Amino acid sequence: DGGITQSPKYLFRKEGQNVTLSCEQNLNHDAMYWYRQDPGQGLRLIYYSQIVNDFQKGDIAEGYSVSREKKESFPLTVTSAQKNPTAFYLCASSRPGLGAFFGQGTRLTVV
Amino acid sequence: GNSVTQMEGPVTLSEEAFLTINCTYTATGYPSLFWYVQYPGEGLQLLLKATKADDKGSNKGFEATYRKETTSFHLEKGSVQVSDSAVYFCALIPLPGGAGSYQLTFGKGTKLSVIP
Repeated sequence: DGGITQSPKYLFRKEGQNVTLSCEQNLNHDAMYWYRQDPGQGLRLIYYSQIVNDFQKGDIAEGYSVSREKKESFPLTVTSAQKNPTAFYLCASSRPGLGAFFGQGTRLTVV
Repeated sequence: GNSVTQMEGPVTLSEEAFLTINCTYTATGYPSLFWYVQYPGEGLQLLLKATKADDKGSNKGFEATYRKETTSFHLEKGSVQVSDSAVYFCALIPLPGGAGSYQLTFGKGTKLSVIP
Protein backbone atom coordinates (compact mmCIF):
# COMPACT_ATOMS: atom_id res chain seq x y z
CA ASP A 1 0.00 0.00 0.00
CA GLY A 2 1.17 3.52 -0.76
CA GLY A 3 1.57 5.86 2.11
CA ILE A 4 3.72 8.05 4.27
CA THR A 5 5.49 6.66 7.31
CA GLN A 6 6.91 8.54 10.27
CA SER A 7 9.11 7.04 12.92
CA PRO A 8 9.37 6.77 15.77
CA LYS A 9 5.88 7.42 17.11
CA TYR A 10 7.25 8.63 20.45
CA LEU A 11 10.67 10.16 21.01
CA PHE A 12 12.35 11.48 24.13
CA ARG A 13 15.22 13.93 24.02
CA LYS A 14 17.53 15.14 26.73
CA GLU A 15 18.41 18.78 27.01
CA GLY A 16 21.16 19.73 24.55
CA GLN A 17 20.73 16.71 22.28
CA ASN A 18 19.99 16.67 18.59
CA VAL A 19 17.36 14.18 17.44
CA THR A 20 16.25 13.14 13.97
CA LEU A 21 12.68 12.31 12.98
CA SER A 22 12.22 10.04 10.00
CA CYS A 23 9.69 10.52 7.20
CA GLU A 24 9.40 8.19 4.19
CA GLN A 25 6.82 8.15 1.39
CA ASN A 26 6.21 5.73 -1.47
CA LEU A 27 3.56 7.83 -3.21
CA ASN A 28 6.01 9.28 -5.73
CA HIS A 29 5.10 12.76 -4.54
CA ASP A 30 7.41 15.62 -5.39
CA ALA A 31 6.72 17.83 -2.38
CA MET A 32 7.23 17.02 1.28
CA TYR A 33 6.53 19.07 4.39
CA TRP A 34 7.19 19.19 8.11
CA TYR A 35 4.69 20.76 10.47
CA ARG A 36 4.72 21.33 14.19
CA GLN A 37 1.54 21.11 16.24
CA ASP A 38 1.29 22.24 19.87
CA PRO A 39 -1.59 21.18 22.15
CA GLY A 40 -4.84 22.76 21.06
CA GLN A 41 -3.10 24.61 18.27
CA GLY A 42 -3.10 24.51 14.51
CA LEU A 43 -0.25 23.51 12.22
CA ARG A 44 2.86 25.57 11.76
CA LEU A 45 5.14 24.94 8.78
CA ILE A 46 8.77 24.21 9.63
CA TYR A 47 10.29 23.31 6.24
CA TYR A 48 9.11 22.11 2.88
CA SER A 49 10.79 20.66 -0.18
CA GLN A 50 9.55 20.69 -3.75
CA ILE A 51 12.30 18.58 -5.31
CA VAL A 52 15.33 16.54 -4.33
CA ASN A 53 18.26 18.55 -2.97
CA ASP A 54 16.12 21.64 -2.48
CA PHE A 55 14.12 22.85 0.51
CA GLN A 56 12.65 26.06 1.83
CA LYS A 57 12.18 27.47 5.32
CA GLY A 58 8.67 27.72 6.63
CA ASP A 59 7.37 29.97 9.37
CA ILE A 60 9.29 28.44 12.29
CA ALA A 61 12.52 26.99 10.85
CA GLU A 62 14.86 28.21 13.60
CA GLY A 63 16.38 25.33 15.55
CA TYR A 64 15.50 22.75 12.89
CA SER A 65 17.29 21.33 9.87
CA VAL A 66 16.28 19.03 7.01
CA SER A 67 17.75 17.21 4.04
CA ARG A 68 16.23 15.85 0.84
CA GLU A 69 18.75 13.48 -0.70
CA LYS A 70 16.10 11.12 -2.03
CA LYS A 71 12.60 11.77 -3.31
CA GLU A 72 11.17 9.31 -0.81
CA SER A 73 12.82 10.67 2.32
CA PHE A 74 12.68 13.98 4.19
CA PRO A 75 14.22 13.65 7.69
CA LEU A 76 13.90 16.45 10.23
CA THR A 77 16.59 17.16 12.82
CA VAL A 78 15.60 19.01 15.95
CA THR A 79 18.78 20.67 17.14
CA SER A 80 19.80 21.84 20.60
CA ALA A 81 19.15 25.39 19.37
CA GLN A 82 15.41 24.68 19.43
CA LYS A 83 14.55 25.86 22.94
CA ASN A 84 11.07 24.44 23.18
CA PRO A 85 10.97 21.27 21.07
CA THR A 86 8.25 19.36 22.92
CA ALA A 87 5.45 19.04 20.36
CA PHE A 88 3.71 16.76 17.88
CA TYR A 89 5.51 16.69 14.52
CA LEU A 90 3.69 15.88 11.31
CA CYS A 91 5.20 15.03 7.95
CA ALA A 92 3.22 15.28 4.72
CA SER A 93 3.69 14.86 0.99
CA SER A 94 1.78 16.10 -2.03
CA ARG A 95 1.71 16.56 -5.78
CA PRO A 96 1.19 19.99 -7.34
CA GLY A 97 -2.29 21.33 -6.73
CA LEU A 98 -3.43 18.24 -4.83
CA GLY A 99 -4.07 17.77 -1.17
CA ALA A 100 -1.42 16.43 1.11
CA PHE A 101 -1.17 13.01 2.69
CA PHE A 102 0.01 12.96 6.28
CA GLY A 103 1.96 10.53 8.38
CA GLN A 104 0.77 9.46 11.81
CA GLY A 105 3.05 11.89 13.58
CA THR A 106 5.92 11.78 16.05
CA ARG A 107 5.43 13.04 19.59
CA LEU A 108 8.69 14.52 20.86
CA THR A 109 9.19 15.16 24.56
CA VAL A 110 12.17 16.77 26.25
CA VAL A 111 13.11 15.04 29.48
CA GLY B 1 -0.37 35.87 0.65
CA ASN B 2 -2.90 33.07 0.98
CA SER B 3 -4.90 32.59 4.16
CA VAL B 4 -7.68 30.43 5.59
CA THR B 5 -10.03 31.50 8.36
CA GLN B 6 -12.29 29.01 10.07
CA MET B 7 -14.66 29.36 12.97
CA GLU B 8 -13.12 28.99 16.37
CA GLY B 9 -14.20 26.15 18.53
CA PRO B 10 -14.79 24.21 20.45
CA VAL B 11 -18.12 23.19 19.01
CA THR B 12 -20.27 20.87 21.13
CA LEU B 13 -23.29 19.17 19.61
CA SER B 14 -25.70 16.47 20.59
CA GLU B 15 -25.79 13.30 18.53
CA GLU B 16 -27.88 13.63 15.33
CA ALA B 17 -27.60 17.44 15.34
CA PHE B 18 -26.73 19.39 12.18
CA LEU B 19 -23.14 20.53 11.83
CA THR B 20 -21.73 23.57 10.07
CA ILE B 21 -18.11 24.66 10.37
CA ASN B 22 -17.43 27.88 8.49
CA CYS B 23 -14.33 28.36 6.37
CA THR B 24 -13.38 31.35 4.23
CA TYR B 25 -10.21 31.88 2.28
CA THR B 26 -8.06 34.53 0.63
CA ALA B 27 -6.07 33.52 -2.42
CA THR B 28 -5.31 34.65 -5.93
CA GLY B 29 -6.92 32.73 -8.74
CA TYR B 30 -8.68 29.44 -8.14
CA PRO B 31 -7.06 27.38 -5.42
CA SER B 32 -8.04 23.82 -4.56
CA LEU B 33 -9.83 23.55 -1.22
CA PHE B 34 -9.75 20.76 1.36
CA TRP B 35 -11.12 19.62 4.67
CA TYR B 36 -8.97 17.46 6.88
CA VAL B 37 -9.91 15.61 10.07
CA GLN B 38 -7.60 14.79 12.97
CA TYR B 39 -8.54 12.25 15.61
CA PRO B 40 -6.73 12.42 18.98
CA GLY B 41 -3.07 11.44 18.77
CA GLU B 42 -3.15 10.87 15.03
CA GLY B 43 -2.10 12.61 11.85
CA LEU B 44 -4.47 14.45 9.54
CA GLN B 45 -6.70 12.57 7.12
CA LEU B 46 -8.09 14.10 3.97
CA LEU B 47 -11.87 14.24 4.40
CA LEU B 48 -12.97 15.89 1.15
CA LYS B 49 -11.83 18.28 -1.52
CA ALA B 50 -13.01 20.57 -4.33
CA THR B 51 -10.86 21.85 -7.14
CA LYS B 52 -13.05 24.40 -8.91
CA ALA B 53 -15.91 26.80 -8.30
CA ASP B 54 -19.30 25.18 -7.53
CA ASP B 55 -17.72 21.79 -6.99
CA LYS B 56 -19.14 19.87 -4.06
CA GLY B 57 -16.83 17.58 -2.13
CA SER B 58 -18.43 14.83 -0.07
CA ASN B 59 -17.35 11.90 2.08
CA LYS B 60 -18.78 9.96 5.03
CA GLY B 61 -21.87 12.17 5.13
CA PHE B 62 -19.85 15.41 5.16
CA GLU B 63 -20.22 17.93 2.37
CA ALA B 64 -18.66 21.24 1.38
CA THR B 65 -19.28 23.42 -1.68
CA TYR B 66 -16.64 25.65 -3.28
CA ARG B 67 -18.22 29.12 -3.40
CA LYS B 68 -16.01 31.52 -5.28
CA GLU B 69 -18.40 34.46 -4.94
CA THR B 70 -18.18 34.30 -1.16
CA THR B 71 -14.68 32.69 -1.04
CA SER B 72 -16.07 30.04 1.27
CA PHE B 73 -15.94 26.27 1.76
CA HIS B 74 -18.17 25.52 4.73
CA LEU B 75 -18.29 21.97 6.07
CA GLU B 76 -21.71 20.46 6.78
CA LYS B 77 -23.15 17.20 8.02
CA GLY B 78 -26.81 16.51 8.51
CA SER B 79 -26.59 14.21 11.51
CA VAL B 80 -23.40 13.97 13.55
CA GLN B 81 -22.32 10.94 15.53
CA VAL B 82 -20.12 10.58 18.59
CA SER B 83 -17.45 9.08 16.32
CA ASP B 84 -17.25 12.41 14.45
CA SER B 85 -15.60 14.03 17.48
CA ALA B 86 -12.28 15.33 16.18
CA VAL B 87 -10.50 18.48 15.04
CA TYR B 88 -11.36 19.69 11.55
CA PHE B 89 -8.99 21.76 9.41
CA CYS B 90 -9.81 23.74 6.30
CA ALA B 91 -6.93 24.17 3.84
CA LEU B 92 -6.08 25.45 0.38
CA ILE B 93 -3.36 24.95 -2.18
CA PRO B 94 -2.81 27.21 -5.21
CA LEU B 95 -3.28 26.08 -8.77
CA PRO B 96 -0.59 23.78 -10.19
CA GLY B 97 2.18 25.80 -11.74
CA GLY B 98 1.16 28.95 -9.96
CA ALA B 99 3.28 30.76 -7.43
CA GLY B 100 3.59 28.70 -4.27
CA SER B 101 1.66 25.84 -5.86
CA TYR B 102 3.25 23.40 -3.47
CA GLN B 103 2.43 25.35 -0.36
CA LEU B 104 -0.54 24.26 1.68
CA THR B 105 -2.22 26.86 3.87
CA PHE B 106 -4.26 25.63 6.84
CA GLY B 107 -6.85 27.20 9.09
CA LYS B 108 -6.31 26.91 12.85
CA GLY B 109 -8.68 24.00 13.25
CA THR B 110 -12.08 23.58 14.89
CA LYS B 111 -12.57 21.04 17.64
CA LEU B 112 -15.88 19.21 17.49
CA SER B 113 -17.27 17.26 20.42
CA VAL B 114 -20.43 15.22 19.94
CA ILE B 115 -22.22 14.06 23.07
CA PRO B 116 -24.66 11.13 23.22
